[in-house]
Amino acid sequence: DGGITQSPKYLFRKEGQNVTLSCEQNLNHDAMYWYRQDPGQGLRLIYYSQIVNDFQKGDIAEGYSVSREKKESFPLTVTSAQKNPTAFYLCASRGAGSEQYFGPGTRLTVT
Amino acid sequence: DAKTTQPPSMDCAEGRAANLPCNHSTISGNEYVYWYRQIHSQGPQYIIHGLKNNETNEMASLIITEDRKSSTLILPHATLRDTAVYYCIVRGHNNAGNMLTFGGGTRLMVKP
Repeated sequence: DGGITQSPKYLFRKEGQNVTLSCEQNLNHDAMYWYRQDPGQGLRLIYYSQIVNDFQKGDIAEGYSVSREKKESFPLTVTSAQKNPTAFYLCASRGAGSEQYFGPGTRLTVT
Repeated sequence: DAKTTQPPSMDCAEGRAANLPCNHSTISGNEYVYWYRQIHSQGPQYIIHGLKNNETNEMASLIITEDRKSSTLILPHATLRDTAVYYCIVRGHNNAGNMLTFGGGTRLMVKP
């Protein structure tokens, strides 16, 4: 069953803690992306990676970090430096075509 | 990448065609028009894209005006499961990383 998986679906953390969100794909896609979505808003790009061991900042990278050690995996760490971490986080991947395929998302709540 | 303008919400009767408009008056010659939709609390789903010719696939049709300043996504026979937010996105051919910029979209409500 091919696709993109994000886990967990819901995540709760205390303020001041770092938290890592998982994103895995078995589509053999080179490019992967992380977006953030706030209620009633569109998606905003946090980081993206076009190839293993390489990644670039998106529009709102401050307070986040990523790694791309394997083609299949692109984990996102929400650090304590992110001022408003509560949001819906979406991971996507892209193959040879131009369209992106999205995972089901992780809803992070920080209190 | 060119900015897009969409109505914030629309209603459609089940079984009828849903026509979702998008204005992109500042689009340049090498920019494509993409449509995605997002059903509540799920990840966005790719629908269709085009450059200047009309496009059709199993999900929808995309009609782009001759001057390319606007486009319409058509769902020919809307069902209740088509209720979602529909995003029109313009992306440049030279957009490094193929990044997408999502605006507010149109919230389509399909009613029985």
